[in-house]
Amino acid sequence: DTEVTQTPKHLVMGMTNKKSLKCEQHMGHRAMYWYKQKAKKPPELMFVYSYEKLSINESVPSRFSPECPNSSLLNLHLHALQPEDSALYLCASSPHWGGELFFGEGSRLTVL
Amino acid sequence: QKEVEQNSGPLSVPEGAIASLNCTYSDRGSQSFFWYRQYSGKSPELIMFIYSNGDKEDGRFTAQLNKASQYVSLLIRDSQPSDSATYLCAVIKSNTGKLIFGQGTTLQVKP
Repeated sequence: DTEVTQTPKHLVMGMTNKKSLKCEQHMGHRAMYWYKQKAKKPPELMFVYSYEKLSINESVPSRFSPECPNSSLLNLHLHALQPEDSALYLCASSPHWGGELFFGEGSRLTVL
Repeated sequence: QKEVEQNSGPLSVPEGAIASLNCTYSDRGSQSFFWYRQYSGKSPELIMFIYSNGDKEDGRFTAQLNKASQYVSLLIRDSQPSDSATYLCAVIKSNTGKLIFGQGTTLQVKP
């Protein structure tokens, strides 16, 4: 069962709100990722966790804060976002860093 | 030069034809190559991966890799309207391990 579950599927928030996106996988994968995708563009890497340690931060603004509580869970905490942060946020996992990625359905974020 | 290049399309083929999607990459050291399908408003779905030179077949899909030419392609036989989607080529960079996506090719299969 290759499934990555993301919640919520849709999120609308104001620029002063604090919210979180959640991701879960039960495939035993040891690498988890956050990607951001704008319309008609490819996914852009934001963060990578490998064995629950933050391995890559692609110079993402501090208003995005990732967290990996355990090997199955990945969160993305959102605070003081801007309207231009509105996008589809994709979580993915892979058996190991550098392996094939399996994406969740995404969380569509709208910042008002 | 972009790290992964694809023709954005749209590529239009009639139902039942072979669709050929192409991708070139700049990192000669890359070893892992992927094709993802993305329907409008949905997330990318892994459909093929290939690590060795030559062809790899899975049902109606064939991935082809030529490392000397830094070229990877995806053939879809007996194309169906349900194959209409954006196809993303992705390559793992050898020095960082990051998965880099091309811009995607939009495929339209017309009944």
